[in-house]
Amino acid sequence: DQQVKQNSPSLSVQEGRISILNCDYTNSMFDYFLWYKKYPAEGPTFLISISSIKDKNEDGRFTVFLNKSAKHLSLHIVPSQPGDSAVYFCAASDNGATNKLIFGTGTLLAVQP
Amino acid sequence: SAVISQKPSRDICQRGTSLTIQCQVDSQVTMMFWYRQQPGQSLTLIATANQGSEATYESGFVIDKFPISRPNLTFSTLTVSNMSPEDSSIYLCSTSDRAGTEAFFGQGTRLTVV
Repeated sequence: DQQVKQNSPSLSVQEGRISILNCDYTNSMFDYFLWYKKYPAEGPTFLISISSIKDKNEDGRFTVFLNKSAKHLSLHIVPSQPGDSAVYFCAASDNGATNKLIFGTGTLLAVQP
Repeated sequence: SAVISQKPSRDICQRGTSLTIQCQVDSQVTMMFWYRQQPGQSLTLIATANQGSEATYESGFVIDKFPISRPNLTFSTLTVSNMSPEDSSIYLCSTSDRAGTEAFFGQGTRLTVV
């Protein structure tokens, strides 16, 4: 049972345009969501997070939107740069004492120069 | 953010043998976790490494196969025992200060079992 889903395995975007990566979840107990970027042969790097009490969080070129009623979140990257090319994972936790993360399957973003 | 070092970064092992992966953090952390990423798959939590007590394993993972130690707040090991080719994965150590905060990851250990 995949509790966190990223339905697009890959996305190709032109440099300078917006990249939108989507993520859906099924567990209504999730209340903290994160996005990670992963290059080959490296561990995931934390990008941005959002708590369920918010519907938007922005950090530079990265913005995460949360729609709790639809159990959907998205990551917007504007403007996209070739260095953004990587696999992006969304993750969720129920903010309990253990802070365990449930990861989505990932989306490979390719930003074309 | 904590700096996490994993050793080895990669290894090729014979089936039936065991490999111990080390995770060293440059500061004391409350929570340490071990994840696995099988080829083409997402990251799956193996267990939470508890300081001074037995690890807490997720469904589908058992202590006999993946024994974990955490002798202090900066160090943990994961052993992959009696390996088979199905254990070929990237194994990742992760730390977190407290619930509701981001988790940080080591660079991972790429294990190939032949």
